[in-house]
This record gives sequence, structure tokens and C-alpha cells, in this order.
Amino acid sequence: KQEVTQIPAALSVPEGENLVLNCSFTDSAIYNLQWFRQDPGKGLTSLLLIQSSQREQTSGRLNASLDKSSGRSTLYIAASQPGDSATYLCAVTTGANSKLTFGKGITLSVRP
Amino acid sequence: NAGVTQTPKFQVLKTGQSMTLQCAQDMNHEYMSWYRQDPGMGLRLIHYSVGAGITDQGEVPNGYNVSRSTTEDFPLRLLSAAPSQTSVYFCASSYDGGYSGANVLTFGAGSRLTVL
Repeated sequence: KQEVTQIPAALSVPEGENLVLNCSFTDSAIYNLQWFRQDPGKGLTSLLLIQSSQREQTSGRLNASLDKSSGRSTLYIAASQPGDSATYLCAVTTGANSKLTFGKGITLSVRP
Repeated sequence: NAGVTQTPKFQVLKTGQSMTLQCAQDMNHEYMSWYRQDPGMGLRLIHYSVGAGITDQGEVPNGYNVSRSTTEDFPLRLLSAAPSQTSVYFCASSYDGGYSGANVLTFGAGSRLTVL
């Protein structure tokens, strides 16, 4: 059974800091890995998707990397801003009918 | 606006009542799914569908029914509500369910259900 872990559960950083959010998964036979952002009381917004054949994806100040063999992904946020404060979840797609398994998320607070 | 629409946004039920959470998407996505999100448990898959007429169970299907008569709609039915079903429910869809590896999942805004 696929398990996805995100540690720590919460993180607080000062504005302007570059930061890395970690995600690990137990079954390396994945189709893809996605990073999502969730604002309080809202739905999830897809930030980046990395296909199993890819090593990284970039969007603006965000860069996500994937190391399938070690079961790890990182989300790098450059020059963090207070508007980046949210919960960040990673999810992997595995198995028949490509079910997504989510981590529990990292709640990020960027202090002005 | 294109996307996933969920109704209602909020609902309070009494134990034993039934109700349907509605989900509609206008992106011609084949894959649709329902998740529940609970504190400390993360998102858990309830049911999913890979196309009209096809549904399957996820991780926590008990107490819920689904059907997929059209590509656009994927309602979630609570048969006899229980306090354990108090949660935030999310509907999500994607183009092909992931076989191509490129299935960006689009989520609805959520439906917050309280069962007393």
C-alpha cells in the first residue's frame, strides 16, 4: 500500500527566505507526483505535476524535483512571500485506475 | 467559468438522514472522484469513476453511493448519515485518470457536512 509522508507538519519562515518542502513515498512505481496548494477553507489547486519519466518541473518561483528510486520529492520555493502561506500537499498516482495517495500536508507560514 | 462545481457548500444533517452532494464539471474529463478531508487524516478517496457508467470504490467507500450517468456529473449519496461522516468533501476530475501520467487533478471548492 502506497504511503506518502510530509515532514514537518508545519513550518514558519521569515519573508524572503528560500525554502524546501519534502515529500516521501513508499512505492516507487508511480505514474506521476503532484504538488497542491490549499488555502484555509478552500479546495486544492494543482501547482506542479512531474511525470514518472521527468526529474523536475518549474513554475515561476516554484521548482519541484522527483527522485523515484529513493521515493522522494522536494518543492523549492524561492524568495518566499506572505502570500505563499498555505498548506502544501503532495500526492502520487500509482496502481490500477491510477489512484492518488495524498500526504497530510505541510502548513507554511511566511512572516512579514 | 470552466471547472468543478460542488453543491451545497454547507449542509447540516441529523443522524439517519440521507442526502446527495452534487458535483459537475464542464471540462469533458473522463475521470472523476470524491475525497473526504479530515483533520489529521489527510485526503482519502471515497469513490471514483473512469467514465460514464463506470464507478469503483476507493479507500473509504462504506456509507456512500455514487453513479455516473453522464460525463459531466458525479453525485455522492449518503444513505443514512452518521456523525463519523462529518467532514469536508471534495470532488475532483482529470482528463484521463492518469494512464498518460499527465493527469492534473482539478478540485471543486468543497462541501462542508456536519452530521448531528
